[in-house]
Amino acid sequence: DTEVTQTPKHLVMGMTNKKSLKCEQHMGHRAMYWYKQKAKKPPELMFVYSYEKLSINESVPSRFSPECPNSSLLNLHLHALQPEDSALYLCASSLSPVGGGDRPQHFGDGTRLSIL
Amino acid sequence: KNEVEQSPQNLTAQEGEFITINCSYSVGISALHWLQQHPGGGIVSLFMLSSGKKKHGRLIATINIQEKHSSLHITASHPRDSAVYICAVRSDTSGSRLTFGEGTQLTVNP
Repeated sequence: DTEVTQTPKHLVMGMTNKKSLKCEQHMGHRAMYWYKQKAKKPPELMFVYSYEKLSINESVPSRFSPECPNSSLLNLHLHALQPEDSALYLCASSLSPVGGGDRPQHFGDGTRLSIL
Repeated sequence: KNEVEQSPQNLTAQEGEFITINCSYSVGISALHWLQQHPGGGIVSLFMLSSGKKKHGRLIATINIQEKHSSLHITASHPRDSAVYICAVRSDTSGSRLTFGEGTQLTVNP
């Protein structure tokens, strides 16, 4: 069982839909991450939140909109996605962001997203 | 050239064999991570290393900072070890970012 919970596990949506991915952790971690992973490729970093503030946006298109409502929750709002956005979206958390010492990242099981 | 190179890309072994996966990197790092990803997608952090050697059950990870090289060893391999193993580094200048290798697909046959 993973300590980082992602919902839903699978999502199929059309290009005009609006949907959200949710990530939750109760380990007291203050850094949370969104990654995108295509088949047979390593994860690509999208966003990093540090103490509930967006600290890194890796030039992600605006059709992806992250939100961190509190220290335990991380959302990724999706709107007007393209077929090439179909991928596994992984959430991760770590005890501290940079400056607080290096800590392992704990990953969720991911949301497998398919855009029709 | 990628900052993190793994070898081999694919590895097939018979149950019980000793397995080694290698990772070389070209930047100064603060830590190196070994991750395991099963076909379902979830990623498990196996080790985080900044020096020396760590052991957990049948898994051993070593790192040589001077040679910028790390190895992951699996003793007495089992079909349930079949997964993708990913090496990732946090460089001295990358902030929160991990730089990932391309992964090694391990298949252990019974």
